[in-house]
Amino acid sequence: GQNIDQPTEMTATEGAIVQINCTYQTSGFNGLFWYQQHAGEAPTFLSYNVLDGLEEKGRFSSFLSRSKGYSYLLLKELQMKDSASYLCAVRDGDYKLSFGAGTTVTVRA
Amino acid sequence: ETGVTQTPRHLVMGMTNKKSLKCEQHLGHNAMYWYKQSAKKPLELMFVYSLEERVENNSVPSRFSPECPNSSHLFLHLHTLQPEDSALYLCASSQDYGGGETQYFGPGTRLLVL
Repeated sequence: GQNIDQPTEMTATEGAIVQINCTYQTSGFNGLFWYQQHAGEAPTFLSYNVLDGLEEKGRFSSFLSRSKGYSYLLLKELQMKDSASYLCAVRDGDYKLSFGAGTTVTVRA
Repeated sequence: ETGVTQTPRHLVMGMTNKKSLKCEQHLGHNAMYWYKQSAKKPLELMFVYSLEERVENNSVPSRFSPECPNSSHLFLHLHTLQPEDSALYLCASSQDYGGGETQYFGPGTRLLVL
C-alpha cells in the first residue's frame, strides 16, 4: 500500500500562517491533492500539484517536490473558518488515490 | 442543486438489519466512488464504478454490496453489519476514471451499527 504522513493536529492564531506538511511514498506518481473537510461535512477540493513548485490560490498555496516525496499546504492570514481537517491525497502510478489521515487545524482568536 | 448528494445523512441500524445508502451526482460525471472514513484514519476507498461498471473492489467484506444502475446514481447495500462498520461513508464522483481528475465528494452518511 501507499504511505502518506501528515501531522495529526496543528493550532494557530487568527491572522497567522500555518504550514501543513505531507510526505509520501508511492509506486509511481500522478499528482497530489489537498482537500479541506469541516466537521460533519464533505471534503472539498483545494489544490492539485503534479509538477514541482508552488501553486498559489488566494490565501492558500501548495508546494510539491517529487524528488523528496514532499508537499506542503500553506494557509495565510488565518481566519476562524479555516478551522478544519486538511487531507493530503496522492495518486500513484496506477492512478489510485490514497489519502493521509488528515491534519486538524484549530484557529484561535 | 448541489453537485453530489447522499441520503440518509444519519443512520442507526442493528446488526441484523438491511439498509441502503444512496448517492446521486448532478455533475455529468462518469466515475463514482464509495469511501469509508473512520475517526483518525485515512479515507479508505471501497468501490469504484466507471460508466456503470465496477472497476475496483478493495477487499471489502461481502456485507457491503454496491450497485450502480446508471452513471448518476450509486447505492451501497448494507446487510448484517458489525459495530466496527460504524463510520462516515462518503460518495464521490469524477469526470472520468484513470486520469488526473478531481473527485467531488458528497456530505456523507454517518452510520452507527449497534
